[in-house]
Amino acid sequence: ETGVTQTPRHLVMGMTNKKSLKCEQHLGHNAMYWYKQSAKKPLELMFVYNFKEQTENNSVPSRFSPECPNSSHLFLHLHTLQPEDSALYLCASSQGEREGGADTQYFGPGTRLTVL
Amino acid sequence: SQKIEQNSEALNIQEGKTATLTCNYTNYSPAYLQWYRQDPGRGPVFLLLIRENEKEKRKERLKVTFDTTLKQSLFHITASQPADSATYLCGLTSGGGADGLTFGKGTHLIIQP
Repeated sequence: ETGVTQTPRHLVMGMTNKKSLKCEQHLGHNAMYWYKQSAKKPLELMFVYNFKEQTENNSVPSRFSPECPNSSHLFLHLHTLQPEDSALYLCASSQGEREGGADTQYFGPGTRLTVL
Repeated sequence: SQKIEQNSEALNIQEGKTATLTCNYTNYSPAYLQWYRQDPGRGPVFLLLIRENEKEKRKERLKVTFDTTLKQSLFHITASQPADSATYLCGLTSGGGADGLTFGKGTHLIIQP
């Protein structure tokens, strides 16, 4: 266990559905991340939150909407997805520094999403 | 644009030998390079971090080197064991604290008994 949990672990949804992915970290970290992992492609950074503020949106389509109500919880709201959005969605957390340094990241187990 | 290449998609190594994985990058400065291990159906797990001003880092049977002239990192597992079989990911950040990583595609390492 890495101290980062994700629910659900598996999700199947239609293109017109609205669903949400949840991530919770029990490590006292200040930064949280969403990554997308598709077959045959590298892990892709989607969003970064540091001290609850969104600091990076890596040109992600608006059908993905993140929410970070506090430093321990991160959501990814999904609506009108496409079949090519099927992938493993990974949440991660790190200590999060305001100046310099390099954080190591703690990943959750991921949510396997299938869009029909 | 920033680019990371892990040269081998798959690597087969005999048990007991040293496995060497390669990570090449472009357009990062300063650079902090991290290696992660990912098992099927699980999230990546952090192994080692090496900073731009460091040449080498070790942790038990693992060793990472960093050549900023060649823009290359080598990841070594000595005395490899079947339990070392996994996908190994190289990730880079330019620093700045909470900075998301840019990853390579990974190398699938298979240690044969």
